Amino acid sequence: QSVLTQPPSVSGAPGQRVTISCTGSSSNFRADYDIHWYQQLPGAAPKLLIYRNINRPSGVPDRFSGSKSGTSASLAITGLQAEDEADYYCQSYDSSLSGYVVFGGGTKLTVL
Amino acid sequence: QVLLEQSGTEVKEPGASVKVSCKTSGYTFTSYGISWVRQAPGQGLEWMGWISANNGNTIYAQKVQGRVTMATDTYTSTAYMELRSLRSDDTAMYYCARDSTPMVPLIAFDIWGQGTMVTVSS
Repeated sequence: QSVLTQPPSVSGAPGQRVTISCTGSSSNFRADYDIHWYQQLPGAAPKLLIYRNINRPSGVPDRFSGSKSGTSASLAITGLQAEDEADYYCQSYDSSLSGYVVFGGGTKLTVL
Repeated sequence: QVLLEQSGTEVKEPGASVKVSCKTSGYTFTSYGISWVRQAPGQGLEWMGWISANNGNTIYAQKVQGRVTMATDTYTSTAYMELRSLRSDDTAMYYCARDSTPMVPLIAFDIWGQGTMVTVSS
């Protein structure tokens, strides 16, 4: 059971907008703890998609955006494309004894 | 081009140890920390720990504390992760990943190795 909670799956048709939520607790969703998002294509290593809640590394399309408010964060993908079909993970810091870095359980995005 | 190249597939018996390497290139090795993250088949990501390539300081996840050792070789710009007393539930893909910000640990991980599959089976 992951410390950060994500929906197991989401889906959307090409061109649509989808969002993936990430919720936590007071030990990992403090105002000063950032959320980061990763995309993992089938058979590949994870790739950093969004860092520090809203920032995109160079090369990541602006179709991907992040937000954070209170004890939840979201990844939005607009103009959905077939190549966006992947697993998506949120990540944060956790101040409890379980560990310093925590990941969400992952969300499988299916492009219909 | 920044690259993290990991060692190859390992098959170990329960109780054995495994040592995975992560050879880096394309950046100043000592300016960034390295984390190790594993992923059991069909499962999510699990952070195992972090090492500073600058001074060798380590932080280990509670779950593997006592069984894991992380180290670096600054001459070859290589990071290592050794896991001892292997169990079947250690079967996973093991990734090394670089801190996204120089000299600031555990913000995010911007470059990942290709992964090393470790299978624990008798």
